[in-house]
Amino acid sequence: RKEVEQDPGPFNVPEGATVAFNCTYSNSASQSFFWYRQDCRKEPKLLMSVYSSGNEDGRFTAQLNRASQYISLLIRDSKLSDSATYLCVVDDQTGANNLFFGTGTRLTVIP
Amino acid sequence: NAGVTQTPKFQVLKTGQSMTLQCAQDMNHEYMSWYRQDPGMGLRLIHYSVGAGITDQGEVPNGYNVSRSTTEDFPLRLLSAAPSQTSVYFCASSTGGGVTEAFFGQGTRLTVV
Repeated sequence: RKEVEQDPGPFNVPEGATVAFNCTYSNSASQSFFWYRQDCRKEPKLLMSVYSSGNEDGRFTAQLNRASQYISLLIRDSKLSDSATYLCVVDDQTGANNLFFGTGTRLTVIP
Repeated sequence: NAGVTQTPKFQVLKTGQSMTLQCAQDMNHEYMSWYRQDPGMGLRLIHYSVGAGITDQGEVPNGYNVSRSTTEDFPLRLLSAAPSQTSVYFCASSTGGGVTEAFFGQGTRLTVV
């Protein structure tokens, strides 16, 4: 079983649409959760951390459900510039706190 | 502000050749790591280091060596390249492993023929 599982997509949505990505993780002891964004042929970059209480950053909202081991990312009012792959990332709860990456969900926003 | 610098950006190797991928960071981060990214597999951890002089294996360490003689540098060495090592390699650094933001280098696209 993979440590982090995501629907690979692709998600093709029109500009202005709302789109949601989901992710599940297997280690119930994990404490740190993130969404990273990766543009085509570029390096991953942190989009936002995910907190138990949920958090919002502009058009982006991240939520965590510890009981279901489930993380979500909601993007409202999609822009063309949101087209990218979104990586769900979870710490492995070892002493070094390494990261497990999902395979990513690809989003294309269409004019 | 350079952040994490990886070299080279592209490399083609013949089977059996060895090479070193360079990684340097100027943020004084203690934690550094190497990942490989393959289609459909996500990023997988090869080796990591929690500080100078300390390294450890990740999920897929076979065929790779690392060293950490300084805080800034964390080179990845391919001992005898194999076609299965064709991949995109990313170096990353952070202040505290998985609890803080990881900063990635631009990646090295390696092809082994």
